[in-house]
Amino acid sequence: DGGITQSPKYLFRKEGQNVTLSCEQNLNHDAMYWYRQDPGQGLRLIYYSQIVNDFQKGDIAEGYSVSREKKESFPLTVTSAQKNPTAFYLCASSVGQRMNTEAFFGQGTRLTVV
Amino acid sequence: GENVEQHPSTLSVQEGDSAVIKCTYSDSASNYFPWYKQELGKRPQLIIDIRSNVGEKKDQRIAVTLNKTAKHFSLHITETQPEDSAVYFCAASKGTGGFKTIFGAGTRLFVKA
Repeated sequence: DGGITQSPKYLFRKEGQNVTLSCEQNLNHDAMYWYRQDPGQGLRLIYYSQIVNDFQKGDIAEGYSVSREKKESFPLTVTSAQKNPTAFYLCASSVGQRMNTEAFFGQGTRLTVV
Repeated sequence: GENVEQHPSTLSVQEGDSAVIKCTYSDSASNYFPWYKQELGKRPQLIIDIRSNVGEKKDQRIAVTLNKTAKHFSLHITETQPEDSAVYFCAASKGTGGFKTIFGAGTRLFVKA
């Protein structure tokens, strides 16, 4: 369904721990993105990658890290430095190296700090 | 900085009425304007998009208009149905200078039967 898969759907983290959110796509898309969704704030860009082994910071990258070792995978690590990590995280991909085409979203991961 | 403002944040209409959601963008270099619909608990999905060389685009009951001079674009839904109830996001992006897509804050649309 949709060709882009996020896991897990729900994730609980203790304060001070790092957690990694998975994002895999089989659409052969070059570009991949991570967004954070908070109520009333739309989608805010955390990191994006236009091509394998390359990624760029978005608007709210502090406390997050990513890697792009394979075209189909773009995992996001939420580190202990992220002060308010509880949110809904969406991964997306698009065809070209520029997001000037339709973005396909995963179903999201809801992260809660306990 | 770059931003997209979206209004209203909540919209309630009677089934069969029209709904209009408006967005304003700040970066005049933006040239692609997609609209996404997110149903409760689901992923956002593209419903319509428009590029800067077009002023209006229509797909059945939905249409989007773009005013480049005013940096303003709108989503129009006619003959609304209960299944149109969702959160709608507008967005603006550009294909040069290191792309970024900036999203509006979203509009929660309620269609009352």
